Amino acid sequence: KQEVTQIPAALSVPEGENLVLNCSFTDSAIYNLQWFRQDPGKGLTSLLLIQSSQREQTSGRLNASLDKSSGRSTLYIAASQPGDSATYLCAVLSGGYQKVTFGTGTKLQVIP
Amino acid sequence: NAGVTQTPKFRVLKTGQSMTLLCAQDMNHEYMYWYRQDPGMGLRLIHYSVGEGTTAKGEVPDGYNVSRLKKQNFLLGLESAAPSQTSVYFCASHAREWNEQFFGPGTRLTVL
Repeated sequence: KQEVTQIPAALSVPEGENLVLNCSFTDSAIYNLQWFRQDPGKGLTSLLLIQSSQREQTSGRLNASLDKSSGRSTLYIAASQPGDSATYLCAVLSGGYQKVTFGTGTKLQVIP
Repeated sequence: NAGVTQTPKFRVLKTGQSMTLLCAQDMNHEYMYWYRQDPGMGLRLIHYSVGEGTTAKGEVPDGYNVSRLKKQNFLLGLESAAPSQTSVYFCASHAREWNEQFFGPGTRLTVL
């Protein structure tokens, strides 16, 4: 059974700092990995999708990498801003449509 | 383009009552999903659909039924609500296989 872990569960950083969020998964046979952002009381907003054949994806200040063999993905946020404060979730698709497994997220607070 | 919408946003039920949650998407997506999100549990897949007229069970289907009579709509039904079904329910959709998922804003359901 696929398990997805995100460490740390919470993170507080000063504005302007570069930071890395981690996502690890137990079964390396994945089709893709997606990073989401969730604001309090809101739905999930897709940030980046990495297909299994890709190593990384970039969007603005965000860069996500994927290392299937080690079962890890990282989300790098450059020059963090207070508006980046949210919970970040990763989700792994493996074994079919019903096999989407979410991590429990990292709650990020960027302090002005 | 409204994306993925969910109705209602909030609902309070008494044990044993029934209700239907509506998910609608205007992106012509084939694949649609219902998730529930509970504290400390992450998101878990309830049911999903790979096209109009098709549905399938996810990780936690018990106590729920679904229907996909129209491509743009995916309905989640609770026939006899239980307190254990108190949760936030999210609908998601995507176009092609293994593609980026888009989420609705969620429905917060409380069962007393």
